[in-house]
Amino acid sequence: GAVVSQHPSRVICKSGTSVKIECRSLDFQATTMFWYRQFPKQSLMLMATSNEGSKATYEQGVEKDKFLINHASLTLSTLTVTSAHPEDSSFYICSARDSTGPYGYTFGSGTRLTVV
Amino acid sequence: QKEVEQDPGPLSVPEGAIVSLNCTYSNSAFQYFMWYRQYSRKGPELLMYTYSSGNKEDGRFTAQVDKSSKYISLFIRDSQPSDSATYLCAMLTGGGNKLTFGTGTQLKVEL
Repeated sequence: GAVVSQHPSRVICKSGTSVKIECRSLDFQATTMFWYRQFPKQSLMLMATSNEGSKATYEQGVEKDKFLINHASLTLSTLTVTSAHPEDSSFYICSARDSTGPYGYTFGSGTRLTVV
Repeated sequence: QKEVEQDPGPLSVPEGAIVSLNCTYSNSAFQYFMWYRQYSRKGPELLMYTYSSGNKEDGRFTAQVDKSSKYISLFIRDSQPSDSATYLCAMLTGGGNKLTFGTGTQLKVEL
C-alpha cells in the first residue's frame, strides 16, 4: 500500500529558531499534500494544502510567513516553522493523496515539536 | 456548530465487548465517509470507508451510514486490547479535496 514517510518524528528546538519537517511519498507521486496540526485530545486541524510546483493554500488563521510550505517535487513537501515559540509546540502530521479517488489519503507518522 | 461532532470519550470497555462509535454531521454535501484509527503519537491509518447509506463490513468492523439522519457509526465486534486507540471519523464532499475530521473518540479495551 501507499506509504508516507515523515521526519523527524520528534524535535526539540530553542525559541526563536526554525525547524523543518519533511514529508515524502515513498511509492507514489502526490500532486497534493496536506499539513495538519493536532493538539492533545483534539482533532486534526488542516493548516494548508500543498500542490506540487505552486504556492500552498493556507487555512484561515494560519500564518503563512510562520509556517512555510514547499512542495518542490511530486514526492516531497516540507513544512518549516520559522521563529518558533513555545505555543507552536504541537503534533504536526502530513498527508498525501495517492489517487484521484476519495479514499486515497495516506498519513505520515507525525512530528512532535517541542519549543523550549 | 462544528460540521462534524464526535464524542471524545474516553470510552473504556472489557475485552470481547461490542463497541459503538458515532459521528453526526451537519453538511449535507458530505458524500464520502471514513474511519481512521490513530495510535498514540502516530499518524491516522484508514480503517473503513463508505459512500452510500447502509452497512459495510470488514472482519470485526462494520461501518454504517445514515445520510437521512446525518449519522455514521463504526462497530467493533469482539474488541481486543490492541483496538485501544483514538478513532476519528472523516468526511469529504463530492468534489472536495479536504477531509473534515471529528474530534476523535479515545477507546480503551481492558483485559
